[in-house]
Amino acid sequence: DSGVTQTPKHLITATGQRVTLRCSPRSGDLSVYWYQQSLDQGLQFLIQYYNGEERAKGNILERFSAQQFPDLHSELNLSSLELGDSALYFCASSVEGTENSPLHFGNGTRLTVT
Amino acid sequence: DQQVKQNSPSLSVQEGRISILNCDYTNSMFDYFLWYKKYPAEGPTFLISISSIKDKNEDGRFTVFLNKSAKHLSLHIVPSQPGDSAVYFCAATALQNAGNNRKLIWGLGTSLAVNP
Repeated sequence: DSGVTQTPKHLITATGQRVTLRCSPRSGDLSVYWYQQSLDQGLQFLIQYYNGEERAKGNILERFSAQQFPDLHSELNLSSLELGDSALYFCASSVEGTENSPLHFGNGTRLTVT
Repeated sequence: DQQVKQNSPSLSVQEGRISILNCDYTNSMFDYFLWYKKYPAEGPTFLISISSIKDKNEDGRFTVFLNKSAKHLSLHIVPSQPGDSAVYFCAATALQNAGNNRKLIWGLGTSLAVNP
């Protein structure tokens, strides 16, 4: 158990809809990262927050947004969903704000857009 | 452009033998490398890392070798056990310009099967 909790585990929704994925980091970790894993794309970094502030942005679409709340949990909002957004979405956390400290991953949210 | 490449999608090894997983990278600015292991229905788990100032790092049955001139690293598992069967991801990072920021670049993974 990594200590990182992601909810829900599975999500099935229709194109055009909006969903929110939630992540609770490991106790004591200040950094939260969001990754997307599609079938043939490996792990794609989306965005990182450190202690409530955006730290780094990766290949995150404009239709996607995220935030980290004062209690350090994070939410990833995906809107105007398309079929191609179907993927596994992982949240990870680390103590520091840099990625040299190992990331601890949750078990992911599997999003299926129909 | 895949900056971190794991050219073998899968590998099958007999229990007790050595497993060698390979990873190539193209960005000479990468200075820190990590291996993660992933079981089905779980998130990746950190396994071992190596800084570019070293050429070898060992942790129990796991050893990572780094060849900077060839831009190549490998993960050795000796002896391999059935519980090692998982997908192994190689990841690399380079210090970004501003704010001591780093970004991990991931390979696509190699699926290791250790047969009893």
